[in-house]
Parts: sequence; C-alpha cells; structure tokens
Amino acid sequence: NAGVTQTPKFQVLKTGQSMTLQCAQDMNHNSMYWYRQDPGMGLRLIYYSASEGTTDKGEVPNGYNVSRLNKREFSLRLESAAPSQTSVYFCATRAGGQETQYFGPGTRLLVL
Amino acid sequence: QKEVEQDPGPLSVPEGAIVSLNCTYSNSAFQYFMWYRQYSRKGPELLMYTYSSGNKEDGRFTAQVDKSSKYISLFIRDSQPSDSATYLCAMSGGDGGSNYKLTFGKGTLLTVNP
Repeated sequence: NAGVTQTPKFQVLKTGQSMTLQCAQDMNHNSMYWYRQDPGMGLRLIYYSASEGTTDKGEVPNGYNVSRLNKREFSLRLESAAPSQTSVYFCATRAGGQETQYFGPGTRLLVL
Repeated sequence: QKEVEQDPGPLSVPEGAIVSLNCTYSNSAFQYFMWYRQYSRKGPELLMYTYSSGNKEDGRFTAQVDKSSKYISLFIRDSQPSDSATYLCAMSGGDGGSNYKLTFGKGTLLTVNP
C-alpha cells in the first residue's frame, strides 16, 4: 500500500519547456488536489478534482492544466515553464465524507 | 486580514521542553481543524484532527480548539529531536460548498535541540 506517489521526484527544465507531473493513489479516494509550496507562501492550491471526471481551478491555476485520468491518477501539466513555476509540487487525496487530506512526497521543480 | 495566521518562527527549544504552536483564523465557518507535520524535503503528514471546539490528546500531542476566540493550539510534551519539523495548521468549513478545500497556515519551523 504505497498511498500517494508522485513522479518525478526532481526535475530541471529550461524556460519554455513543457512537462507533466504525475500523481497516483491506491487509497480509493474520490478527491485529488495539486498544491505548490514556496518559501514564505505556504501551500497554495493549483487545481483539484472533487471526483473522477471533474476538475476545478484553485487559488493559483495560471500556467497549469490538469487531467483526472481515472480514479487513481491526477496529472499536472506545465505547457510552457517559467522561472516563477520553480517550486515544490504536492499531490493530495481525500476520501469522500472526510475533511482530511493525505499528501504525496512531492516533486521539486527548478525552471532555469 | 489573512484567513489563517501562523507565526513562522523559527522556534528552538531544548529536548524535554513543552512546545506550544498556535494559529488564529478569521472565518467563523471553520469547523474542522488539523495539524500536519512536515519534515525537511518531505510531504506533509496528518498529525492531529479535531472537530469543533475542545481538546484531543494523542500520546505526547494535544490539539486544542477555541472557536469563540478563533484560536487553535498544538502542544507537544517532552519534546524530542525527532519532533524537529515544520508544523502546519489547516482548517475547513465542512459544508461541502468549498469542495472540502483546506485553508493552511504558512507553518512554524520547530527545532528541538538535544
């Protein structure tokens, strides 16, 4: 039982390159979330998916797109990376009827 | 005014000390309160979860909620070097209208010195 997994663990991109961050869960949770964490800014919600087939914008969605591929997987795509997107990205999940979220180990992204 | 305020620290204490970590909030609709612990270069992990006002104890950890003052606390007794981490408070209204989004504090960095 791996919980929430994220790939890759670390990535370096050049400005303008694209990439997809992957998140998978084996907890059978309905809802999934993408956050970014920056020094002094805390955790900020980028996008979330309340259930399979639905996605909604969070606090800081600009420059990102998401896909809820199935119940297990929720990916985050950067179409044209910018240095301002240098951050640590966390995926989280939540079971139906509960308030608590469970986080993955994170992806550290550096955009040069 | 930010919805959730949390002193970023850093807070440095000797081993064995009692640690008090706090958050204040402005949204009276918040009913569910959580504390997450985040070790360096790791993801946040759920530490404590309380509903509405009152206390909850789990081993050396006690979570306290005072809704009348809009103030929550996490107490750590007999602190250990392994407690050194960033502690994040989080809360939600639980009414479904916010799609169960959590509002986080920015975290307090705690160091427990041997």
